Amino acid sequence: GNSVTQMEGPVTLSEEAFLTINCTYTATGYPSLFWYVQYPGEGLQLLLKATKADDKGSNKGFEATYRKETTSFHLEKGSVQVSDSAVYFCALHSGGGADGLTFGKGTHLIIQP
Amino acid sequence: DTGVSQDPRHKITKRGQNVTFRCDPISEHNRLYWYRQTLGQGPEFLTYFQNEAQLEKSRLLSDRFSAERPKGSFSTLEIQRTEQGDSAMYLCASSSVGSWSPLHFGNGTRLTVT
Repeated sequence: GNSVTQMEGPVTLSEEAFLTINCTYTATGYPSLFWYVQYPGEGLQLLLKATKADDKGSNKGFEATYRKETTSFHLEKGSVQVSDSAVYFCALHSGGGADGLTFGKGTHLIIQP
Repeated sequence: DTGVSQDPRHKITKRGQNVTFRCDPISEHNRLYWYRQTLGQGPEFLTYFQNEAQLEKSRLLSDRFSAERPKGSFSTLEIQRTEQGDSAMYLCASSSVGSWSPLHFGNGTRLTVT
């Protein structure tokens, strides 16, 4: 079956630090990969996505590259801000079916000024 | 675009009672999903509709759970004979059809079973 594994949190960084949140997956076929973000008190929002190997998704300074050889989709940002504090979820969708997303457990990111 | 709306935001009920939640998707979206999220976990897929047809149900969706989308617009999720293990955040999401489109999530309904 499909599964997503994310690094455990919370991850605490100082403002302007470099961020990496690791994500690896197991899936049948050729999944699409996503990062969702949940800010305090808000619903999940799509942050970025990649639909095939070697694609790079990017948004709001965040990037993630679909690495088929390592089955990974690590989230990176060069310089984090306090406003980036949130819970980040890595997710996948297996192609060919109508089933929903498979999510990781989420990584709580705390950025200190 | 008013986003995905869920009602109520919070529900506290006693074990054994029935509860019903409502989801209003983004109006032009014809796909609607229900997820459940417990503390420290990612959302888990429960069921999915395309228009009024329920196309898939997770093994997580026991026979005490039922979801409907009678006119292909809003959806309801009912839990009968609630148990303490049903306490969770219930999330609704919608998307458009075609090549797989990203899900737009509501803020969820938090259920507490006492």
